Amino acid sequence: QKEVEQNSGPLSVPEGAIASLNCTYSDRGSQSFFWYRQYSGKSPELIMFIYSNGDKEDGRFTAQLNKASQYVSLLIRDSQPSDSATYLCAVRGSGGSNYKLTFGKGTLLTVNP
Amino acid sequence: DTGVSQNPRHKITKRGQNVTFRCDPISEHNRLYWYRQTLGQGPEFLTYFQNEAQLEKSRLLSDRFSAERPKGSFSTLEIQRTEQGDSAMYLCASSLVLEGYTFGSGTRLTVV
Repeated sequence: QKEVEQNSGPLSVPEGAIASLNCTYSDRGSQSFFWYRQYSGKSPELIMFIYSNGDKEDGRFTAQLNKASQYVSLLIRDSQPSDSATYLCAVRGSGGSNYKLTFGKGTLLTVNP
Repeated sequence: DTGVSQNPRHKITKRGQNVTFRCDPISEHNRLYWYRQTLGQGPEFLTYFQNEAQLEKSRLLSDRFSAERPKGSFSTLEIQRTEQGDSAMYLCASSLVLEGYTFGSGTRLTVV
């Protein structure tokens, strides 16, 4: 059973702070990692993906990957109230299941004005 | 609209009834996925189509569930003899090759 674990939250940060979201995964063969944002009652929206070890930045978002530690994180700088949502970590399967994404349960982030 | 379209958005049905959901993927996407999401959980994989071929069906899908994708275009997910445990958000997604998915708005099913 391939698993993806996220810190359960909820995570509450003040506006303008850095929010840090973490994820670990069990499938050592996984090569692709995704962060989705999901507002309450809505469907997931892709915000970042990362394939290589290290950092990947896109605007206020930075994804970090450490394959040796099987760890993925998402940093949100200058957090805004509009960032309040559930953040889902997803890992693409390896080998014959490389079309399948396994999701964590998500971390609920609240950014307080 | 070039996104993934799902219909209906909401469905309330009585236990034991059959329901069918439709998904229209992004037109150039050859891969189509169905996921189910319950409250407080991440989406769980149900089934996968590459073009018109259904390549995997999760053990989560009992014999009451069937999915089709005729001609590799839209897809339908049918649930027969619905049970209260089927209440969930049913998400359709599509992708081109192995990039990240684009999800539709989902169909929220409530079985009463």
